[in-house]
Amino acid sequence: GENVEQHPSTLSVQEGDSAVIKCTYSDSASNYFPWYKQELGKGPQLIIDIRSNVGEKKDQRIAVTLNKTAKHFSLHITETQPEDSAVYFCAASMSLPGLDDYKLSFGAGTTVTVRA
Amino acid sequence: EAGVAQSPRYKIIEKRQSVAFWCNPISGHATLYWYQQILGQGPKLLIQFQNNGVVDDSQLPKDRFSAERLKGVDSTLKIQPAKLEDSAVYLCASSFAMTDGDETQYFGPGTRLLVL
Repeated sequence: GENVEQHPSTLSVQEGDSAVIKCTYSDSASNYFPWYKQELGKGPQLIIDIRSNVGEKKDQRIAVTLNKTAKHFSLHITETQPEDSAVYFCAASMSLPGLDDYKLSFGAGTTVTVRA
Repeated sequence: EAGVAQSPRYKIIEKRQSVAFWCNPISGHATLYWYQQILGQGPKLLIQFQNNGVVDDSQLPKDRFSAERLKGVDSTLKIQPAKLEDSAVYLCASSFAMTDGDETQYFGPGTRLLVL
């Protein structure tokens, strides 16, 4: 099955600085890579996702890059704010039209702390 | 629109007791997932339903865990008998059927289980 590794496990940044989280995956057939943010006591919330036919995607202060050859993808948060403090999870899955299987394999998570 | 609902939010039981969790997905979502999230780890898929049929239950410990989605809407996950290592957050997620091309999974707040 798919194996997703995520680094670092903890990340502390000064408010206004950038944060970068990196993930690698093992199954070259994976083609869908979402990122989730989980705040204390809440379920994961999708913040951005990318598919394998795209190398980079940006949404305001958040961007994700994908390197299919190296099988790794990264989350970039610019101009960090205190409300960005949370646990971030990367995930990977293989989605195919007509296939009833979109199960996600998650990384272990990165605890991001933004210092004011 | 209303999100994924789960109950109870918290449950404390003794080992060898039984427990049940309930999930109500987002209206119209055909696919429902149950995940187990152990403290400090990413969610791990236990079972996936497409309408009222099981798509994948390969990671479900079937000697003690069971799940059903009888009418293709609400779902229950049961553990009987519980073990100490079952202490975790149980997350329910839902998504549109894959024919809509939207595999985004939306998570509920989770049920936090502590087995003593």
